[in-house]
Amino acid sequence: NAGVTQTPKFRILKIGQSMTLQCAQDMNHNYMYWYRQDPGMGLKLIYYSVGAGITDKGEVPNGYNVSRSTTEDFPLRLELAAPSQTSVYFCASSHPDRGIDTQYFGPGTRLTVL
Amino acid sequence: QQQVKQSPQSLIVQKGGISIINCAYENTAFDYFPWYQQFPGKGPALLIAIRPDVSEKKEGRFTISFNKSAKQFSLHIMDSQPGDSATYFCAASRDSGNTPLVFGKGTRLSVIA
Repeated sequence: NAGVTQTPKFRILKIGQSMTLQCAQDMNHNYMYWYRQDPGMGLKLIYYSVGAGITDKGEVPNGYNVSRSTTEDFPLRLELAAPSQTSVYFCASSHPDRGIDTQYFGPGTRLTVL
Repeated sequence: QQQVKQSPQSLIVQKGGISIINCAYENTAFDYFPWYQQFPGKGPALLIAIRPDVSEKKEGRFTISFNKSAKQFSLHIMDSQPGDSATYFCAASRDSGNTPLVFGKGTRLSVIA
């Protein structure tokens, strides 16, 4: 199993550009998540999905969009990139079972908006 | 509003010493408390987790202590090693882990020889 994969690993965007961060998992997990990590601020949830066709906002959804057309893929779309979106983005997946929810994280995408 | 408060922000421990990281939560509906470990350039990985029906859980050198009445839980790393140097995040969720985790801000641990 590859686990959770993310592409690209690094990206530099200009203000106003758009891009899609890709995330895929091969563990047949129902739940998938997008987080952003800023220095000293921990992980903040952007969007999450409990299954194909179902998405919900997290703590910091503004400026982002997601879709979940398959169990495996959960892309994150940035429209009109802004410097405030400079961050490291992590995708994660899990399959809560009997009170245990181990989230498996991808390696992250480091995004800089200039 | 920060639902999970973590301290300290950074911690330096001598090799062989005990590392202690504390977290406090506000939402009494939380019923699942994991700790994640993150090495530089990597995604976080689950280290150990506890549910509120027990006051302590131990896995090797790592122990979670849980105080339900005080709404606090802590991670103890015994015999700390340089390889334990990483950032540690506490987290919490409700509904037995079926709702998203809320993370603390993290503690950067450095274990020096």
